[in-house]
This record gives sequence, C-alpha cells and structure tokens, in this order.
Amino acid sequence: EAQVTQNPRYLITVTGKKLTVTCSQNMNHEYMSWYRQDPGLGLRQIYYSMNVEVTDKGDVPEGYKVSRKEKRNFPLILESPSPNQTSLYFCASRSGLAGDTQYFGPGTRLTVL
Amino acid sequence: GESVGLHLPTLSVQEGDNSIINCAYSNSASDYFIWYKQESGKGPQFIIDIRSNMDKRQGQRVTVLLNKTVKHLSLQIAATQPGDSAVYFCAEKDSSYKLIFGSGTRLLVRP
Repeated sequence: EAQVTQNPRYLITVTGKKLTVTCSQNMNHEYMSWYRQDPGLGLRQIYYSMNVEVTDKGDVPEGYKVSRKEKRNFPLILESPSPNQTSLYFCASRSGLAGDTQYFGPGTRLTVL
Repeated sequence: GESVGLHLPTLSVQEGDNSIINCAYSNSASDYFIWYKQESGKGPQFIIDIRSNMDKRQGQRVTVLLNKTVKHLSLQIAATQPGDSAVYFCAEKDSSYKLIFGSGTRLLVRP
C-alpha cells in the first residue's frame, strides 16, 4: 500500500529538549515536504526536499532542520523546541517538483511545554 | 502576497443534499488546483484536481469547477453522506511548483 508514515503520532515535550519526527514514504517519490497546521492558518510549509541531499526552506523554517540522506526518509528536527512550535505536523510526498498528487502522512501532534 | 482563501469556514447540509464548497485564489499564474479532504485525526486526503486549461472535472460524486475569469474554484459533492463530514481544503500550485493551501471549510452533514 502506497503511504507516508510518521512517528511519533503524539509527542509532549519540554522547552529545549531536542526531538526528531521521522517521515518515510514507500512510493519512490523525489519530492518531500513538511507542513505545520495551526487553527485559522491552514497548512504552512516548513521545509521541502527535491531529492536526496537537496533541501530548501519553505515559508516557516525558523527553529526547524531537516535532512534527506535517503530517498524514502525525511526527518524533521527541532534542536531546541519552544512552545510556539506546538502544532500538528504533516509530512508529504509527491513524484517530483512538478508532480501532481501529493500524499500526506497521518500527522504528528506536538506539544511543547 | 499570493493567497488561497475560502468564503465560508463552516457549511452545514442535510444528508442527501448537494454540497458546494467555494475557494478564491489570487495567483493568476497558478496552473493546477487540488481539493483535499481532512477527517478528524487524519492527514489531508486527495479528492480531485483540475488543470487551468479545464473548466470542469468530475469524479465519483464530486465535481470541481474552475472559473479563471474570477479566480474561483468550487467543489460540489452530490448526495452528501455522513462520511463526507470533514474539513475541505483547496490548494493551488504556482509557477514555482509550490502548493499553497487555503485555511479550510468544515462540512457538517445533518442526519
């Protein structure tokens, strides 16, 4: 089954404690991205990657890092989380930059105390 | 800046009726539009898409209409069912291939 998986699905942490949210897709997609979803603000792109070792900032990259060492994986790293990073996070992938259908993961709800 | 907006944050319809969810976009260079459905606790799910060289596209119980003159996109759901209750997002892909999402419309289906 074609899918995007994320882990963990729920996470409660404290300010300053580094964390990583993993993302993996099994569709051999080149393009992957991370979004955060906040009430009234919709989906905002954090980072995206067009291929292995190629990443770029989205609209709200501050406080986040990503890496793309393998095609299937695209982890999101919060080096020093802060309460304003409490949000619902989605990983997504599509076949390429110009690819159409974008598939989303199930989401990770992060709370930073 | 470019934006994708929605006219109504919440739409309530009677089961069996047709639903129409509207979306306005501002980037005239966008050439691809998508509707997503997001159920509670889940990620957005692709419903239907349309390219800018089309005015209408139909799927199973869903139809997307594109009016480029007024930069308006709509999603029509026929014979709305309880399982259609969700938040619906429109999105546009601009010339840089970036997807821009609207804030969403919540569809409530009354039994």
